[in-house]
Amino acid sequence: QKEVEQDPGPLSVPEGAIVSLNCTYSNSAFQYFMWYRQYSRKGPELLMYTYSSGNKEDGRFTAQVDKSSKYISLFIRDSQPSDSATYLCAMSGTGSARQLTFGSGTQLTVLP
Amino acid sequence: GAGVSQSPSNKVTEKGKDVELRCDPISGHTALYWYRQSLGQGLEFLIYFQGNSAPDKSGLPSDRFSAERTGGSVSTLTIQRTQQEDSAVYLCASSSPGTGAYEQYFGPGTRLTVT
Repeated sequence: QKEVEQDPGPLSVPEGAIVSLNCTYSNSAFQYFMWYRQYSRKGPELLMYTYSSGNKEDGRFTAQVDKSSKYISLFIRDSQPSDSATYLCAMSGTGSARQLTFGSGTQLTVLP
Repeated sequence: GAGVSQSPSNKVTEKGKDVELRCDPISGHTALYWYRQSLGQGLEFLIYFQGNSAPDKSGLPSDRFSAERTGGSVSTLTIQRTQQEDSAVYLCASSSPGTGAYEQYFGPGTRLTVT
C-alpha cells in the first residue's frame, strides 16, 4: 500500500463548477500538506500548503486537512479552463525528513 | 528572478549507456532535491542535498544512480548503464533556508528515454 493515495481521475467538469480533489495517507508523522499543480511538460508549482489540521483559503482555492481521518482535500471554486492540469498532493514530516511524499496526481480538465 | 533550470530538456540514450542530468537551483537556495516521475505516477524522491551536510541518498533505486553537488550550487545526477525502466522525467527542486521542505520550487525536468 502506498503512503499517499490519490484518485488519478481523469476528472472533467464544466467551467464554473466546484472541483473537489482528495488524498488519503497512512503515515501519522506527516505534518505539512501541500497541493501542487502541474501543467503538461512542466514542473510542479506549489499552490498551497497547510500545517497540521484545518482549512486554508487562497482566492478560489481552499485546502482542508483532517488528520484524524488522514484525509486532505483541495476545492476549486468557479473553475476555469486555465485550471486544467494535473493536481498532486504532497506531504512531509518535520525534523530531518525533508523530502516530500507525493500522490500519483489527478488529471483535471475544465471544459469551456 | 530565474527559476530552477535543468538540462538537457530531453535525452534519448541507448540501453547500457551512462547519462548525466544537470540542475541549476535558484540562487541562494541551500536545499536541492531530485525526484523521478514515471508515466502516470507521482514524484518519487531520489536524493536531497542541504548545504555542506552529507546528502540523503535514501531514495536512490540502485547503485547505478549517483549525484553530486559542486560548490553548494549546481547538481549532476548520473545514471550508469541505463535500463529501459529508467525512462522517466527527472525533476530537480530547490528550497531556501528560510522555508521548510514544503516550499520547493521545481525545474521543468529532463525527459529521459532509454531505447
